[in-house]
Amino acid sequence: DAGVIQSPRHEVTEMGQEVTLRCKPISGHNSLFWYRQTMMRGLELLIYFNNNVPIDDSGMPEDRFSAKMPNASFSTLKIQPSEPRDSAVYFCASSFADARGGEQFFGPGTRLTVL
Amino acid sequence: GDSVTQMEGPVTLSEEAFLTINCTYTATGYPSLFWYVQYPGEGLQLLLKATKADDKGSNKGFEATYRKETTSFHLEKGSVQVSDSAVYFCALIASSGSARQLTFGSGTQLTVLP
Repeated sequence: DAGVIQSPRHEVTEMGQEVTLRCKPISGHNSLFWYRQTMMRGLELLIYFNNNVPIDDSGMPEDRFSAKMPNASFSTLKIQPSEPRDSAVYFCASSFADARGGEQFFGPGTRLTVL
Repeated sequence: GDSVTQMEGPVTLSEEAFLTINCTYTATGYPSLFWYVQYPGEGLQLLLKATKADDKGSNKGFEATYRKETTSFHLEKGSVQVSDSAVYFCALIASSGSARQLTFGSGTQLTVLP
C-alpha cells in the first residue's frame, strides 16, 4: 500500500492567493483527518470526515478555510484568501474508524509558506 | 473533555542512556492509548499502542504500559540511539461515541547525542 498521499509537498504562495491542498487516503479507510502543525500551537485537528461526511469542523480557524471530500479516495483543504499566519505544515491522516484502537496513518505533510 | 499531558521537553540524552517520557491522560471509560513518533521533516508514525488496562505496547525497543489506576502511559527505552532523535506524541482515542479522533499531547522533543 502506498500509504496516505499528499500533494503538493511544499507550497509557497503570496498573501491573498488561493491555496488547495490534496489528500488521498489509504484504500478501505473510512475516516479522514486534516491537521495543522506549527511551533506555536503544536498539532491541531482542523476537521475530520467519516464516510465522506464532515463530522467535526470546530477546529477550522475561520471561514477562509474549507474542506471537501467528494469521494472515499480524495479530499481537499482550501484556504482562500491565504495569510502569512496560515504558514504551517498540514497533515492528512486516515483510519478505519470501526476498529478498536482506530490507528491513524499520517501522510508526509504539505509545508505551506505564505509570504 | 479528554486530554493528554506529557512531559515537557526538550530531552537530551547520551547514546545508550535510559529514556522515560511521562504521559498521563484524562478520559471517561477505557480509551485506547498511543505513542506516535515524528522524525525531522516527516509525518507522524505510530510507534506503539495499547487498547486495554495493563496492556503493554512495544516496538523498536520502546515500551509503554497502560496503567488505569494512575491514568498513565509512560514511554520507556532501555538504551537510546542517535536515530531515536525525534518528537514523541502521546495520544488517546475515547472508548465511547462515534468520534474516533485522536487527542494528542503537546509532544516531547528527544535529542540523542553520540
